[in-house]
Amino acid sequence: EAGVVQSPRYKIIEKKQPVAFWCNPISGHNTLYWYRQNLGQGPELLIRYENEEAVDDSQLPKDRFSAERLKGVDSTLKIQPAELGDSAVYLCASSLGGAANYGYTFGSGTRLTVV
Amino acid sequence: AQSVTQLGSHVSVSEGALVLLRCNYSSSVPPYLFWYVQYPNQGLQLLLKYTSAATLVKGINGFEAEFKKSETSFHLTKPSAHMSDAAEYFCAVTLNQAGTALIFGKGTTLSVSS
Repeated sequence: EAGVVQSPRYKIIEKKQPVAFWCNPISGHNTLYWYRQNLGQGPELLIRYENEEAVDDSQLPKDRFSAERLKGVDSTLKIQPAELGDSAVYLCASSLGGAANYGYTFGSGTRLTVV
Repeated sequence: AQSVTQLGSHVSVSEGALVLLRCNYSSSVPPYLFWYVQYPNQGLQLLLKYTSAATLVKGINGFEAEFKKSETSFHLTKPSAHMSDAAEYFCAVTLNQAGTALIFGKGTTLSVSS
């Protein structure tokens, strides 16, 4: 079984430019999460999807961040325009139902560097 | 709201020594607790989880953790460290409720010397 696939693995952009990250969750996992992990910190939730519906986006900076999950499968996270402080690792995870019973499976992440 | 605190951002042990990584949680209701490991440039891998069954939980790679309600702790241990255990370790908490996400601690870096 393929795991959670994220691309690209690394991205370097200049500030004020747009950037997008892509995530393909494990087949059949209805719940998808985007986390941001700053250097030396634990992951922090940005948004959670149940199928195609964003059910928790309270931590997503909506002025510059957007996300979508078409047909309840793949998801894209976008930043426009990027700022220096957005440099971080963006992690995607998926689960079959709630984390308590099934845990999460994480992708390898996208490391974003804004210069 | 629930949270976890990992005591010690960096722990160093010798190969063969006991590994002890500390995690304390805060939750108004019985929590579910997890330990994840992250190797350089990789995603997070589940080591073990506590979901209100046995209080002593065994995980992969010889790690185990004990849930102690009276101490609000969920410390991770391994009797004998290997060089390959060097990594970042994260404690996380959630509730047994639909629609709650994992909340992570800040992590503990484990270094193992020969």
